[in-house]
Amino acid sequence: DAKTTQPPSMDCAEGRAANLPCNHSTISGNEYVYWYRQIHSQGPQYIIHGLKNNETNEMASLIITEDRKSSTLILPHATLRDTAVYYCIVRVWDTPLVFGKGTRLSVIA
Amino acid sequence: NAGVTQTPKFQVLKTGQSMTLQCAQDMNHNSMYWYRQDPGMGLRLIYYSASEGTTDKGEVPNGYNVSRLNKREFSLRLESAAPSQTSVYFCASMRGQGPQPQHFGDGTRLSIL
Repeated sequence: DAKTTQPPSMDCAEGRAANLPCNHSTISGNEYVYWYRQIHSQGPQYIIHGLKNNETNEMASLIITEDRKSSTLILPHATLRDTAVYYCIVRVWDTPLVFGKGTRLSVIA
Repeated sequence: NAGVTQTPKFQVLKTGQSMTLQCAQDMNHNSMYWYRQDPGMGLRLIYYSASEGTTDKGEVPNGYNVSRLNKREFSLRLESAAPSQTSVYFCASMRGQGPQPQHFGDGTRLSIL
């Protein structure tokens, strides 16, 4: 079973920041938080990952709470092309990914 | 740089037929994975290979076999296809050293009648 809890769906206005929450209250000390997204029926696309520090790359920012029990993926300026299912996954780095149902983000013009 | 390539992209089989799905990666990755995704669901791991010469079962291995042919290629075989195996199949690879991301192919859409 997935070790994370995400809302099933969210809407975001185009051009605004999309903040996607993830709860992982049972995370252990050696588990990383990974975010992937799946646009329509394409293969999942890696977005970002982190252990305990906040991370930023060209796609998104990842904010992890100090107790590491939850995190937020931030897409700073959402576009229509960001409409996708977003998966939050926690794992030890050398173990397979376990996908839940994710959050379906709809970016609205 | 092609990344992870899956063939075929689409396939229709009859119940009881056999089929091998091919996956190749050109990133010199050590680990490779096979997932299936049913409508409205997340991906489920079928088999994986942490390194050349090794394979391990995932969450849903029944009805499938795999072969890690070499470092580049990881195939998935359905010996006797069943309608319950109608799904989209994704292959992925990962460098296998450190907290690296997995890279996914575009999937094979398989229908079994």
